Amino acid sequence: EAEVAQSPRYKITEKSQAVAFWCDPISGHATLYWYRQILGQGPELLVQFQDESVVDDSQLPKDRFSAERLKGVDSTLKIQPAELGDSAMYLCASSHDREGVTGELFFGEGSRLTVL
Amino acid sequence: KNQVEQSPQSLIILEGKNCTLQCNYTVSPFSNLRWYKQDTGRGPVSLTIMTFSENTKSNGRYTATLDADTKQSSLHITASQLSDSASYICVVSTSGGSYIPTFGRGTSLIVHP
Repeated sequence: EAEVAQSPRYKITEKSQAVAFWCDPISGHATLYWYRQILGQGPELLVQFQDESVVDDSQLPKDRFSAERLKGVDSTLKIQPAELGDSAMYLCASSHDREGVTGELFFGEGSRLTVL
Repeated sequence: KNQVEQSPQSLIILEGKNCTLQCNYTVSPFSNLRWYKQDTGRGPVSLTIMTFSENTKSNGRYTATLDADTKQSSLHITASQLSDSASYICVVSTSGGSYIPTFGRGTSLIVHP
């Protein structure tokens, strides 16, 4: 069964360091999402891509966060510099999102970030 | 502003008991509503999807209902099992292009033996 792949699963870093997360969506899925989930809360959208284009990045803290999906397939989310408040689970999801499809989000296992 | 509110925030029940989780939304234009189950430390997994014309949908011991007039949904879990311990997240999507999803904060369910 096709899955969304994410790496690393766990990352511990010191504040002010740079961090990068990688996501490979299910093959053929045009839409890719990055979410941040703080423990005990629901996922919050950081950025949504349709193919290689950004659809929504209004909640992305652009002074320190960046995201790209250069070839419209896999994607990288970067944080530089990391702050203590960035400690969270970073979830990647993809969906088919074509006409007549119900837009189910398929999530990866997430990348757990701890900033010390 | 599109919003999804879930209640209760957390719930503790004994194994074998039933429970019902609630989801109220103000999302427009409505496309569909999904319930996701998220085990601790894992990504969410879809349980059910409800479209505008559907009132009830079951997936094993999970039954979701939708009242599109009052913009409310519920997820009923029958004969709970220890493996049902998880966070249950209600997600409502808009129509028109990219099915923009709005997430609730989730209900944390703990099933005790």
